[in-house]
Amino acid sequence: GAVVSQHPSWVICKSGTSVKIECRSLDFQATTMFWYRQFPKQSLMLMATSNEGSKATYEQGVEKDKFLINHASLTLSTLTVTSAHPEDSSFYICSAPPTSGSSYNEQFFGPGTRLTVL
Amino acid sequence: AQTVTQSQPEMSVQEAETVTLSCTYDTSESDYYLFWYKQPPSRQMILVIRQEAYKQQNATENRFSVNFQKAAKSFSLKISDSQLGDAAMYFCAYRLYTGTASKLTFGTGTRLQVTL
Repeated sequence: GAVVSQHPSWVICKSGTSVKIECRSLDFQATTMFWYRQFPKQSLMLMATSNEGSKATYEQGVEKDKFLINHASLTLSTLTVTSAHPEDSSFYICSAPPTSGSSYNEQFFGPGTRLTVL
Repeated sequence: AQTVTQSQPEMSVQEAETVTLSCTYDTSESDYYLFWYKQPPSRQMILVIRQEAYKQQNATENRFSVNFQKAAKSFSLKISDSQLGDAAMYFCAYRLYTGTASKLTFGTGTRLQVTL
């Protein structure tokens, strides 16, 4: 099956610093990737849709200047949390639907990144 | 906007028994997908089952089956012969049938406990 990786799997940073999270589709191409945030014991909330070669689409209430998304290639999207604060501590998950193939109707999820801001 | 509702925050089932998780959704669209995802303690999202709205036949995957009632906008998941490994959070999700850029909308989740 299709595999999506995320790096790092966990990160601890100081308040005010920036953190970059990578999402890679390992064996398929994805023109679109999705970024979710999940707080403890809550559901996944879509933050933004990452589009290869163009600007990301952010959900209402998500600060685009704080959560920078870059989709530089058909296999890589990055989420940068700028000037991180403790309230940004959360579990960040990406997903990617294959651009083509028999699985194009599915979204494959990365294993997630746990961010802790001190 | 589409919404997905899971009214059961927690459910419990004995091993080898059957349990049904409920999900309702609201949409004005006619072509869409519905999904059940499992999230175990590792937090890796795992697709359990998928239903295309245009199909009248309920989807089945081994011990997992759904009861899809399009008119009632209901999409329940039945787990038969429950196993300890089924213990997890289960999320119902909706997606429009409009290509790969279509986003998923998740319900609030149901935590399933499996007891001996």
